[in-house]
Amino acid sequence: DVKVTQSSRYLVKRTGEKVFLECVQDMDHENMFWYRQDPGLGLRLIYFSYDVKMKEKGDIPEGYSVSREKKERFSLILESASTNQTSMYLCASSWGRGDEQYFGPGTRLTVT
Amino acid sequence: DAKTTQPTSMDCAEGRAANLPCNHSTISGNEYVYWYRQIHSQGPQYIIHGLKNNETNEMASLIITEDRKSSTLILPHATLRDTAVYYCIVRVARGATNKLIFGTGTLLAVQP
Repeated sequence: DVKVTQSSRYLVKRTGEKVFLECVQDMDHENMFWYRQDPGLGLRLIYFSYDVKMKEKGDIPEGYSVSREKKERFSLILESASTNQTSMYLCASSWGRGDEQYFGPGTRLTVT
Repeated sequence: DAKTTQPTSMDCAEGRAANLPCNHSTISGNEYVYWYRQIHSQGPQYIIHGLKNNETNEMASLIITEDRKSSTLILPHATLRDTAVYYCIVRVARGATNKLIFGTGTLLAVQP
């Protein structure tokens, strides 16, 4: 079974803090993704990576950065957290582009 | 990716088959039908996908009409744990498109 894990299920941070969200997959997948999910807005892609040290912007990259130093790990960084970044953050991975994606349990981030 | 239409909600008795319909009348020849579900406060879960033949795995069956304009996801013996929002997505497999776009989906409520 594919396993995608995220470092925290719930996180509360203050405005202006730097926030790290970690994601690890154990299936040697090439592609990894970070989405956020908000009521009424569905899933929105923040960044994705198709190889180690490679990354591409998704639809809403502003205010975020990513790091992929190892194939199994993809980190999302909020450089200076703001209240409008309060959301559910979902990490996913897939074998190849367009293949089915396997999701982690999500991190519900609250920025106060 | 082609647009899909699903009912907003459905009920199903525990132990009975749940049949979830999806219309995708503008589907192209190289587009697959994917199904995901999302249990409340959890990450989405991949269920099954198919091109034109019916597919079955340990979770569900996917029936695609001959003209490919609609499909049905079948959960053969629904349990309370199958209560979730089910998303039907049409997309090119192994294509350039990476991100998943979830519509509003069908909220399946399995009743005891």
